[in-house]
Amino acid sequence: AQSVTQLGSHVSVSEGALVLLRCNYSSSVPPYLFWYVQYPNQGLQLLLKYTSAATLVKGINGFEAEFKKSETSFHLTKPSAHMSDAAEYFCAAGNTGGFKTIFGAGTRLFVKA
Amino acid sequence: GAGVSQSPRYKVAKRGQDVALRCDPISGHVSLFWYQQALGQGPEFLTYFQNEAQLDKSGLPSDRFFAERPEGSVSTLKIQRTQQEDSAVYLCASSSRSDRQETQYFGPGTRLLVL
Repeated sequence: AQSVTQLGSHVSVSEGALVLLRCNYSSSVPPYLFWYVQYPNQGLQLLLKYTSAATLVKGINGFEAEFKKSETSFHLTKPSAHMSDAAEYFCAAGNTGGFKTIFGAGTRLFVKA
Repeated sequence: GAGVSQSPRYKVAKRGQDVALRCDPISGHVSLFWYQQALGQGPEFLTYFQNEAQLDKSGLPSDRFFAERPEGSVSTLKIQRTQQEDSAVYLCASSSRSDRQETQYFGPGTRLLVL
């Protein structure tokens, strides 16, 4: 069965530092991949998605992610963290065989002043 | 231009009660999803509708869970004889097409607490 693993339930960075949130998927067929952000008491908002058009995907708020098939990874990065980036981030995968979207357990990002 | 709305936002139920959770998707959206998000976890897929047809209900945890979307717009998730393990946030999402890569737009969720 397909699964999504996010390494690190909590990540803390200083304002202005690089943000790196890790995501690995398990699938024999490259899935559709997504990163969502969730602010407290709000629904999930799409940051970016990979749909095989390009391996480097740029999203909103300066985030980007690179699909690496050889590593089955889709890590999320941002060159310079802002205080407003503090939130919960979820990596997710959908596949061509059904309608399910499988979410990782999430990584909470803390940004220190 | 309203987004996905859900009601109620919070629900407290006594064990054994039935509850109904409502989702109003974005107008015209074909696809509708329900997810269950336990505390500290990612959302887990419950069921999927394409218009009024429920095409995938493989994620519903038991036969106490039932979802419907009779006219292809508003959807209701019903939980019968609630149990404490049903306590979670229930998220609804909609998307404009049935393509699996299509962006899902999420509502704020209904937080259910079963005492």
